[in-house]
Amino acid sequence: NAGVTQTPKFRILKIGQSMTLQCTQDMNHNYMYWYRQDPGMGLKLIYYSVGAGITDKGEVPNGYNVSRSTTEDFPLRLELAAPSQTSVYFCASSYDPGQGEGYTFGSGTRLTVV
Amino acid sequence: KNQVEQSPQSLIILEGKNCTLQCNYTVSPFSNLRWYKQDTGRGPVSLTIMTFSENTKSNGRYTATLDADTKQSSLHITASQLSDSASYICVVRANNDMRFGAGTRLTVKP
Repeated sequence: NAGVTQTPKFRILKIGQSMTLQCTQDMNHNYMYWYRQDPGMGLKLIYYSVGAGITDKGEVPNGYNVSRSTTEDFPLRLELAAPSQTSVYFCASSYDPGQGEGYTFGSGTRLTVV
Repeated sequence: KNQVEQSPQSLIILEGKNCTLQCNYTVSPFSNLRWYKQDTGRGPVSLTIMTFSENTKSNGRYTATLDADTKQSSLHITASQLSDSASYICVVRANNDMRFGAGTRLTVKP
């Protein structure tokens, strides 16, 4: 059981470039999330999805887009990379957070925009 | 202002010693509180979950406490091991909203 898999693990982008951070889970979880973690700060929610075809903005959605065409996959798209998007990105999933289910996190993608 | 404040920001202890990490929150209405352990370069992993009616919960050498009246939680680590070196993150849930603390970075030295 792989859990939540994120790719790539590291990436360096130039300002203005675009990229997609991949996230897939094999636990049949309905809920999926993208967080960013900046040094000395708590994780901030970028986007989340409560099921295939349904996505919604979190606290810090600007500069990002997501899609959820399948239950398993929840890619995060950066269209015009900016230095402010330098961060560590975590994808997470849960079965039913309303029942107190914890999140399963991926191992993260460290992104640097130069 | 972050609604979940953790202290200390970082902590260094010797192997075998105990330590206590603090989490104060203003998130409302309270649903539950989780402590996560995040190893360097990895995603957070859940240690314990506390609901409103629970005061204490243990998971091996980890013991979490919750005072819902004062909105404080602590994570006590007993007989620390080198593998306890990690960041410990307090996460408070209010309805469908999760609020993450910035974490306490614990280093256990031999």
